[in-house]
Amino acid sequence: AQSVTQLGSHVSVSEGALVLLRCNYSSSVPPYLFWYVQYPNQGLQLLLKYTTGATLVKGINGFEAEFKKSETSFHLTKPSAHMSDAAEYFCAVSAPGNDMRFGAGTRLTVKP
Amino acid sequence: SQTIHQWPATLVQPVGSPLSLECTVEGTSNPNLYWYRQAAGRGLQLLFYSVGIGQISSEVPQNLSASRPQDRQFILSSKKLLLSDSGFYLCAWSGTSGRNGYFGPGTRLTVL
Repeated sequence: AQSVTQLGSHVSVSEGALVLLRCNYSSSVPPYLFWYVQYPNQGLQLLLKYTTGATLVKGINGFEAEFKKSETSFHLTKPSAHMSDAAEYFCAVSAPGNDMRFGAGTRLTVKP
Repeated sequence: SQTIHQWPATLVQPVGSPLSLECTVEGTSNPNLYWYRQAAGRGLQLLFYSVGIGQISSEVPQNLSASRPQDRQFILSSKKLLLSDSGFYLCAWSGTSGRNGYFGPGTRLTVL
């Protein structure tokens, strides 16, 4: 079975500061990894994903994530936070023949 | 391209009334389908998932049930709603390859 742990249910950063949202996964097979974003009162949309190939994945709005097999991690980063980045972020894991599993989410607050 | 529909978008129901939320997927076949609930201020809670017609796995024992009468249709039901059933219900699908996962727009349920 696969699972995801998101460290920190709430993260607060200042505008212009580095954003780091942590995600660790557990999988018995090579995983596919995803980050989703949910803006207030909206559904979830795909931010980026890793399936195969380059381990550093770039997504929308300047976000990127790096798959580190040795650390079983897929942390989401952005060099400089904008006010518009305030949202809830979900990490997910899946694999061929497996269902998709989501973390509990991390709420990002950006302070002016 | 794949599309996922949910209806209704919003719903207000009295305690003790029945519930039926519908989710349909277009543009793919044999998807894995999921029902999630997002209560106010909380993360995603996986309620049910299905890997095929008539195949339902329940993650959390509760007042709800799910059915999959057709390959691309997933229904969430309750015979008698509780106040605690209020929340944002999200349907999602992922392909058997595990490479993709998408969410529907969600249904906001308020039980009074």
